[in-house]
Amino acid sequence: GAVVSQHPSWVICKSGTSVKIECRSLDFQATTMFWYRQFPKQSLMLMATSNEGSKATYEQGVEKDKFLINHASLTLSTLTVTSAHPEDSSFYICSASRTRVWADTQYFGPGTRLTVL
Amino acid sequence: DAKTTQPTSMDCAEGRAANLPCNHSTISGNEYVYWYRQIHSQGPQYIIHGLKNNETNEMASLIITEDRKSSTLILPHATLRDTAVYYCIVRVGYGNKLVFGAGTILRVKS
Repeated sequence: GAVVSQHPSWVICKSGTSVKIECRSLDFQATTMFWYRQFPKQSLMLMATSNEGSKATYEQGVEKDKFLINHASLTLSTLTVTSAHPEDSSFYICSASRTRVWADTQYFGPGTRLTVL
Repeated sequence: DAKTTQPTSMDCAEGRAANLPCNHSTISGNEYVYWYRQIHSQGPQYIIHGLKNNETNEMASLIITEDRKSSTLILPHATLRDTAVYYCIVRVGYGNKLVFGAGTILRVKS
């Protein structure tokens, strides 16, 4: 149980284009989903927290207009990188938890590797 | 917010127990200790979590000191597939955020 998937697993795009990454909870309903970014040889950095049916809460320094997050259902959240540039190349990872209660376990997806040319 | 301190790296012989320490001296009374691991180029995998008591599951055991200022993750019989970065995390703030530090690189060697 508690499986989270991401699609695509990797994507290459041209600079200036937009890319959408999907995060799905396969066997549970996820009230809350999180998006992280990880640069090579660095740790995960939380980008935003998304509660189903609400606007996402972005971490300081993360541009909400550039990283659009939608959490329209209890099993799906999407991250759209708008007008991507080479510096946006990174490993994007989502996680999901069943409730909004603090300390509820987060389960992570396998990640999406984005390369912007 | 509670912070954690972990060794940068550790080696362990295959088949032996791997003991990964974590210091969290500023932990609050209602904060849980979580352990995740990340195998290269994959998303983190949940291992175990605890509040005060020692915990055990099919993957590992978590030993938390009585004063809760430190904990140890124990992989009883490490295999090569346990080679990964292990993160000790204390939940910070309200809203279920996880803040990842640098973690410990565990290398299991045959």
